[in-house]
Amino acid sequence: DIQMTQSPSTLSASVGDRVTITCRASQSISSWLAWYQQKPGKAPKLLIYKASSLESGVPSRFSGSGSGTEFTLTISSLQPDDFATYYCQQYNSYPETFGQGTKVEIK
Amino acid sequence: EVQLVESGGGLVKPGGSLRLSCAASGFTFSSYSMNWVRQAPGKGLEWVSSISSSSSYIYYADSVKGRFTISRDNAKNSLYLQMNSLRAEDTAVYYCARSRTMVQGVLDAFDIWGQGTMVTVSS
Repeated sequence: DIQMTQSPSTLSASVGDRVTITCRASQSISSWLAWYQQKPGKAPKLLIYKASSLESGVPSRFSGSGSGTEFTLTISSLQPDDFATYYCQQYNSYPETFGQGTKVEIK
Repeated sequence: EVQLVESGGGLVKPGGSLRLSCAASGFTFSSYSMNWVRQAPGKGLEWVSSISSSSSYIYYADSVKGRFTISRDNAKNSLYLQMNSLRAEDTAVYYCARSRTMVQGVLDAFDIWGQGTMVTVSS
C-alpha cells in the first residue's frame, strides 16, 4: 500500500498568512493526488485534483504543486473561512490512501 | 442540485449487520464510479470501497474485505454498503462519494460527498 505522510500535523497561522502543507508518498504516484478541506461535522470538500488542478468554485488562493512523491498545498493569503483540516489523497492505485491530516488553527 | 444522501446508520452490536444506502440526485448516477469512505471519531479519512459505473470493477480495503459488500442499483440511483460481522473498530461516520471521472476502471478524486451516516458498533 502507498503511505501518505502530511506535515505538519498542526499549523497555527494568522489571517493573511501564506500557508504551505506538504504531503509525501511512499512511492511515486505521478500527479494522481487530491487535496480536501474538512470542517468539523462536515463532509470533506475537494480543492485540488491531479496535484495542481483547481476544482471548480474553489478560490484561487488555493494552489497545489508537485509530482512523484512530494506535493504541496499552498494558501496564498489565509482567510477566516480557511481554518479547517486538510487531507491529501493518492489515487494512483488501490487502496486509495489519505494522509493523516493537517489542522490549520488560528494563531 | 447535485446531491448524495446517506442513510441506514445506527447502533449495532459486535458481530451484527447493517446496510447503508446512498441516494444520488442531480446527475447521471449510472455514469460514475462511486465510493465509500469512513472516518472514526476524531480520526482521519479511510477509503473503504469503490464500485465502477456498471459494477464491473469492485475494490475493498483489506480492513473490510470479506465482511463488507458494495453494490449499486443504477435504476434507483442508489449505492449500498452491506456490512456484516461488524467490529468496534468499524465505528465511524460513513460517507458516500462520487469519483470525478466517467471513465470506467480509472481512479479519480472524489468531487461530491454526502453528509455522512454514523455507525456505532458497541455492546
